[in-house]
Amino acid sequence: DAEITQSPRHKITETGRQVTLACHQTWNHNNMFWYRQDLGHGLRLIHYSYGVHDTNKGEVSDGYSVSRSNTEDLPLTLESAASSQTSVYFCASSETGNSPLHFGNGTRLTVT
Amino acid sequence: ELKVEQNPLFLSMQEGKNYTIYCNYSTTSDRLYWYRQDPGKSLESLFVLLSNGAVKQEGRLMASLDTKARLSTLHITAAVHDLSATYFCAVNNAGNMLTFGGGTRLMVKP
Repeated sequence: DAEITQSPRHKITETGRQVTLACHQTWNHNNMFWYRQDLGHGLRLIHYSYGVHDTNKGEVSDGYSVSRSNTEDLPLTLESAASSQTSVYFCASSETGNSPLHFGNGTRLTVT
Repeated sequence: ELKVEQNPLFLSMQEGKNYTIYCNYSTTSDRLYWYRQDPGKSLESLFVLLSNGAVKQEGRLMASLDTKARLSTLHITAAVHDLSATYFCAVNNAGNMLTFGGGTRLMVKP
């Protein structure tokens, strides 16, 4: 079955370190998204991509970057981790059009 | 800027009762989605509403969309404990981006 996999599931890092969260999907979807989930804020869009070599900033993109070198992967990099980036991060993908998002299981990131 | 508001934020209800969750959004959109999230888990798609007047039903849940009022409702009929979860609505923004509401945490008590 097709799926979307995030790794690691849990990560603890120190302030100032660079961190990369992985997202891999086997749906062959062109659209991929990164969201962060925080209490009181729901899910907020960080970055998104509509295809290989395409990346776009979302609502809360400062301090984050993504790259899309193939259809399957959209890694999320925190250039210099800050305590404000402690959150649960969800990757999602969708077909073009009206289809809903398929979400990964999330990565819980703690920045100390 | 598209804003999506859900209410209530928290709902505690008895099994067997009916209730409605509301999702209001601030700008015109042609698509609205409902998702369910169990504690510590990912989000699962429940409904996709694509036009004014659209109504979708699955078991004890029914979702509707009124694009003129910029309002969607998620109605729960005869609630059971298994429906306890957090429910999110999400509205299509430019392109294929979704803006999510803050979520409604539903607790169904025996």
